[in-house]
Amino acid sequence: KQEVTQIPAALSVPEGENLVLNCSFTDSAIYNLQWFRQDPGKGLTSLLLIQSSQREQTSGRLNASLDKSSGRSTLYIAASQPGDSATYLCAVRSGTDKLIFGTGTRLQVFP
Amino acid sequence: DAGVIQSPRHEVTEMGQEVTLRCKPISGHNSLFWYRQTMMRGLELLIYFNNNVPIDDSGMPEDRFSAKMPNASFSTLKIQPSEPRDSAVYFCASSSVGENNSPLHFGNGTRLTVT
Repeated sequence: KQEVTQIPAALSVPEGENLVLNCSFTDSAIYNLQWFRQDPGKGLTSLLLIQSSQREQTSGRLNASLDKSSGRSTLYIAASQPGDSATYLCAVRSGTDKLIFGTGTRLQVFP
Repeated sequence: DAGVIQSPRHEVTEMGQEVTLRCKPISGHNSLFWYRQTMMRGLELLIYFNNNVPIDDSGMPEDRFSAKMPNASFSTLKIQPSEPRDSAVYFCASSSVGENNSPLHFGNGTRLTVT
């Protein structure tokens, strides 16, 4: 059974810092891994999707990497801003098309 | 595209009442997912459909929960009778599943409160 874990559970940093959020999964047989952002009271917004054959994806100040063999992904946020404050979730899609979510990292960036 | 549309945004009901949640997926997407989110359990997959057919409903907690997708543009999640422990935010999401798996797109959710 696929299990997804995210560390840390919460993070509070000053504006301008570079951040790394971690995601680990137990079954390396995945189709893809997706990072989401969730603002309070809102749905999830897709940030980056990494296919199983890819090593990383970049979008603006965000970079996500994938190491399937070790069951890990990281989300790197460069030059963090208060607007980045949200909960970040990773999710893996396995053979049954199910997307299994981690419990999320709650990020607060203060000015 | 308007994205995934869910209704209602909020639902407050009394224990024992029937609750129906609605979802309109993104046009052209062939997969639809229902998730439930709580503080204690995070995001849980309840059921998902491919091409309007239920593929996996192992996440549906009890027989009180049922979901239908009568056509490619509409799905419902029904709880009957509702109980206080069903209180949560219910999300609908859609995607195109195939060789080039597309990202999952979520609606804004329905916040259900059962008193």
